Amino acid sequence: KAGVTQTPRYLIKTRGQQVTLSCSPISGHRSVSWYQQTPGQGLQFLFEYFSETQRNKGNFPGRFSGRQFSNSRSEMNVSTLELGDSALYLCASSLGAAGDTEAFFGQGTRLTVV
Amino acid sequence: GESVGLHLPTLSVQEGDNSIINCAYSNSASDYFIWYKQESGKGPQFIIDIRSNMDKRQGQRVTVLLNKTVKHLSLQIAATQPGDSAVYFCAEILNNFGNEKLTFGTGTRLTIIP
Repeated sequence: KAGVTQTPRYLIKTRGQQVTLSCSPISGHRSVSWYQQTPGQGLQFLFEYFSETQRNKGNFPGRFSGRQFSNSRSEMNVSTLELGDSALYLCASSLGAAGDTEAFFGQGTRLTVV
Repeated sequence: GESVGLHLPTLSVQEGDNSIINCAYSNSASDYFIWYKQESGKGPQFIIDIRSNMDKRQGQRVTVLLNKTVKHLSLQIAATQPGDSAVYFCAEILNNFGNEKLTFGTGTRLTIIP
């Protein structure tokens, strides 16, 4: 069973650009959550998608957006990049059922904004 | 508001000894708690979870203790091995009208000394 796949693994962008990151969940998983990980702030929740709908949202500005496709694959987009957006972006997939606590994480996309 | 914090940012333990990683949380309404392990270059990996109606749960070499009176969570790792060296995160899940939101603590780096 393939794990959670995130692409690309590494990315370098300049300020003001936009970026799209991709996450393919484990087959059969319908929930995909995105997290930003930085040394100073730790793991912070961005949003969760379930069955193509955003089900939960963290406290990030509108520059951070996402979507989920019918095959459960998800993308997140960050527009007008800022230096502070440099981070490891992790996605996690799960079945998405209430009480299902086990989420499987991908290896992340390391985004560097210069 | 909700917050999850850790007492110690780093912990060094002799190989073979037991280790205890602590975590404090502030939201008494959280439904369950999870411990994750993150090795260098990898995404967080689920270790064990515990529901708020339990005070102890055991896994293979790991035990999680929940003290709701003082809002404290701990992860005990028995007979530590070099492969246990990693950053450990506690996380709390709050079920808000059917939507579950995962909030992570800042993490504790555990180093096993050979």
